[in-house]
Amino acid sequence: EPEVTQTPSHQVTQMGQEVILRCVPISNHLYFYWYRQILGQKVEFLVSFYNNEISEKSEIFDDQFSVERPDGSNFTLKIRSTKLEDSAMYFCASRVGAGEKLFFGSGTQLSVL
Amino acid sequence: GQNIDQPTEMTATEGAIVQINCTYQTSGFNGLFWYQQHAGEAPTFLSYNVLDGLEEKGRFSSFLSRSKGYSYLLLKELQMKDSASYLCAVRVNDYKLSFGAGTTVTVRA
Repeated sequence: EPEVTQTPSHQVTQMGQEVILRCVPISNHLYFYWYRQILGQKVEFLVSFYNNEISEKSEIFDDQFSVERPDGSNFTLKIRSTKLEDSAMYFCASRVGAGEKLFFGSGTQLSVL
Repeated sequence: GQNIDQPTEMTATEGAIVQINCTYQTSGFNGLFWYQQHAGEAPTFLSYNVLDGLEEKGRFSSFLSRSKGYSYLLLKELQMKDSASYLCAVRVNDYKLSFGAGTTVTVRA
C-alpha cells in the first residue's frame, strides 16, 4: 500500500534554531496536512494545504511556522525559531479527495533542548 | 472550539467486547472517523461514518447518530494486539479533522 514518508524520524535541536521537517505524501493525493502530538496529549491540527496554498491553520500555527511544497513530491514544515514547547511528534498526512480518509506518516519526533 | 469527548481508559479481557463512546460538539460536521494508534506510532484508519447508522468491518463496527452528536466504536473478539489508543475524529469542514484525546484500551489475558 502507498505510504506517506517522513524524514527524519528523530530531530534534536537547540532552542532558537530553525528546523525543517520533510514529508513525501502519497503521489496522487491532493490535500496535505501537518499535525502534532505532544507526549501523552491528543493529536492537534496545525495546517492544511491544498492547491498550493494554505487552506486552514490552527492557532498553534503562528508566524514561526511555515509550509512549502517546493516541487511535485515534497511537503515541508519549517519552524523558524524553535521553543521548548515545540517538542512533540509531528505527523504529516495526506488524502486524495474531499471525502476520503487521511493517511498518516510515521512521524518525526522533535526534541528541543 | 471543538469539543470531542471520549473516555480516557478502558480495560477488557481477551475475547470480550468493548464499546468506546464519543460525543462531539463541533462548528461543522462532514463525517466522523475512528483511528487506532499504537504507542509511538502514527494513527491508522479504522472506520468512517457520514450517515446515521452502523458500519461493520470485520471485528470492528462504528455507529453514528448525528442528531445526538454521538458515535461509538465496537471492538469484538478482543485480541492482545488490540491494546492501543482509539481516536475519535470529526471532519469539521473540507480541510480540517479534529481529534479527541483518545481512549487507551488495555486487553488482558
